[in-house]
Amino acid sequence: QQQVKQSPQSLIVQKGGISIINCAYENTAFDYFPWYQQFPGKGPALLIAIRPDVSEKKEGRFTISFNKSAKQFSLHIMDSQPGDSATYFCAASAQLGGKLIFGQGTELSVKP
Amino acid sequence: ETGVTQSPTHLIKTRGQQVTLRCSSQSGHNTVSWYQQALGQGPQFIFQYYREEENGRGNFPPRFSGLQFPNYSSELNVNALELDDSALYLCASSRVGDKNIQYFGAGTRLSVL
Repeated sequence: QQQVKQSPQSLIVQKGGISIINCAYENTAFDYFPWYQQFPGKGPALLIAIRPDVSEKKEGRFTISFNKSAKQFSLHIMDSQPGDSATYFCAASAQLGGKLIFGQGTELSVKP
Repeated sequence: ETGVTQSPTHLIKTRGQQVTLRCSSQSGHNTVSWYQQALGQGPQFIFQYYREEENGRGNFPPRFSGLQFPNYSSELNVNALELDDSALYLCASSRVGDKNIQYFGAGTRLSVL
């Protein structure tokens, strides 16, 4: 119940295309869903986050779509760029507790 | 940059030894969380410190322990190192107002031989 399942494991997208990464969870107590971007040799960087009272949040080229009934959320990267090539992690936590449960990660490669 | 600094960057230890990793949190952040990230995996929550006390713990044995100091910096101590402890150890800081919004340091890469 504490798991967050992330797919796909790896993704190759052409420059200018849309990258889509999906996550699913079981614990209905989760109420905070962030996405992190991690480059090799670096720590995860907070990209965008959503709470379940909204179904979509957009920041620049990054959009989170949230489906509470399906217990799924996804990250869309519009106009993907080679500089977006990194590993992306979804995460979830419950009730301001601060214990983030991470997905397994998606390695994104954007080809020029 | 997140303002969270970790030291050392890399560390090599042998099985059975003890190790101490350090973290300085972002200014204004008084909560520190530690995570273990094995190669090719997502980070796993070890524990969190707030007001110098442990405030939540993941599924890690007692040989993983920590400290938080009055200036909110923190240490992670691991005793009796095992080969499987080889990983990237990440520290994240947050404000007490929202512990979920966490900013990570670059991590300490620990290799146990």
